[in-house]
Amino acid sequence: DAGVIQSPRHEVTEMGQEVTLRCKPISGHNSLFWYRQTMMRGLELLIYFNNNVPIDDSGMPEDRFSAKMPNASFSTLKIQPSEPRDSAVYFCASSFGGRTEAFFGQGTRLTVV
Amino acid sequence: AQSVTQPDIHITVSEGASLELRCNYSYGATPYLFWYVQSPGQGLQLLLKYFSGDTLVQGIKGFEAEFKRSQSSFNLRKPSVHWSDAAEYFCAVGAIQGAQKLVFGQGTRLTINP
Repeated sequence: DAGVIQSPRHEVTEMGQEVTLRCKPISGHNSLFWYRQTMMRGLELLIYFNNNVPIDDSGMPEDRFSAKMPNASFSTLKIQPSEPRDSAVYFCASSFGGRTEAFFGQGTRLTVV
Repeated sequence: AQSVTQPDIHITVSEGASLELRCNYSYGATPYLFWYVQSPGQGLQLLLKYFSGDTLVQGIKGFEAEFKRSQSSFNLRKPSVHWSDAAEYFCAVGAIQGAQKLVFGQGTRLTINP
């Protein structure tokens, strides 16, 4: 099992550019989560999907952020336009059902300059 | 809504000493509780989890945690730490809302003195 796979691992972009983060969950898992980690705010849940359907996006900071899950094996988190305050580590996690733990990817470190 | 408090931001212990990391949660129903560990530049790895049953749960790497409902606590313990245990530790509470929606504490950074 390859685990949750995120790409890229590091991303440096200029303010105003579009950024797309990618995630491949563990095969067979039906829940997918996007988290953001910063020194100031810690780990925050941005959005989660159940069976490819967004269930709760209340953690998405603003309209510049959007997430999609077109199928059970792929999800994207897009920031357009990006701002320096979006700099953080973004984690994707997946789980199976409601009584199992979440498995985390290695994260994408985003730097917006 | 659930919340988690980890009172200790940073703890330093000597190698071979015992360890206890504190975690207090707030949730209106029976919680699902987790401890994760994060090494620098890495993702989060599950150490242990509590869903139901025995309130003392064993995890990987020699860690254990005890669920105390009366104190709303889920403290992590290890009898003898190793230098490789230096990392950031996160307590989390999950709720069933069609999926495991985790709320994390702020984390406790563990430093090990040789």
